[in-house]
Amino acid sequence: SQQGEEDPQALSIQEGENATMNCSYKTSINNLQWYRQNSGRGLVHLILIRSNEREKHSGRLRVTLDTSKKSSSLLITASRAADTASYFCATGGGGGGNKLTFGTGTQLKVEL
Amino acid sequence: GAGVSQSPRYKVAKRGQDVALRCDPISGHVSLFWYQQALGQGPEFLTYFQNEAQLDKSGLPSDRFFAERPEGSVSTLKIQRTQQEDSAVYLCASSLDLSQAYSFGYTFGSGTRLTVV
Repeated sequence: SQQGEEDPQALSIQEGENATMNCSYKTSINNLQWYRQNSGRGLVHLILIRSNEREKHSGRLRVTLDTSKKSSSLLITASRAADTASYFCATGGGGGGNKLTFGTGTQLKVEL
Repeated sequence: GAGVSQSPRYKVAKRGQDVALRCDPISGHVSLFWYQQALGQGPEFLTYFQNEAQLDKSGLPSDRFFAERPEGSVSTLKIQRTQQEDSAVYLCASSLDLSQAYSFGYTFGSGTRLTVV
């Protein structure tokens, strides 16, 4: 079963704008990861944040984690058309065991 | 190889047919996972190997699903007597070990899209 929800389910923005996606989960975790999936392709790892971290940056990506609320957010700044994809959060370790437990995903469309 | 390789890329099976899906992880990767992704959904865990040992198969939906990794490298996911609800993308992921995965995440293959007709 899915770990939790992501919202929004779909997001459409203009190139250059920022995109924010949110993820909630249910059990204790060791880490939370974000993945991107282009249509018909595999998942690409974007960024990982550990349960003892609150914020992490990688290029145009910023992820936050609030373990008290069991939630995370992914911010993509200065979006590009190439960022169009589905984005999934996934939790690892903790109550979920060794496997990754994925959310339901956010479909991001960046228009020119 | 440089990445996780899965074959075939696409598979169409008639209902009742047996299928075998292959995953070639990155050389030396100890941890290997299989996931099932239905259309419009997030991937769902099927099974986990550490080397040749299948440590968790709690996600396999029925006894028609079977996975193996006999030499600790290539893995095969077999589905017997396929049914329409088995139609999905089957993803394989690997990591050097769990410690690496907990720091850097997993490498996924491009998946096998199975369509049962």
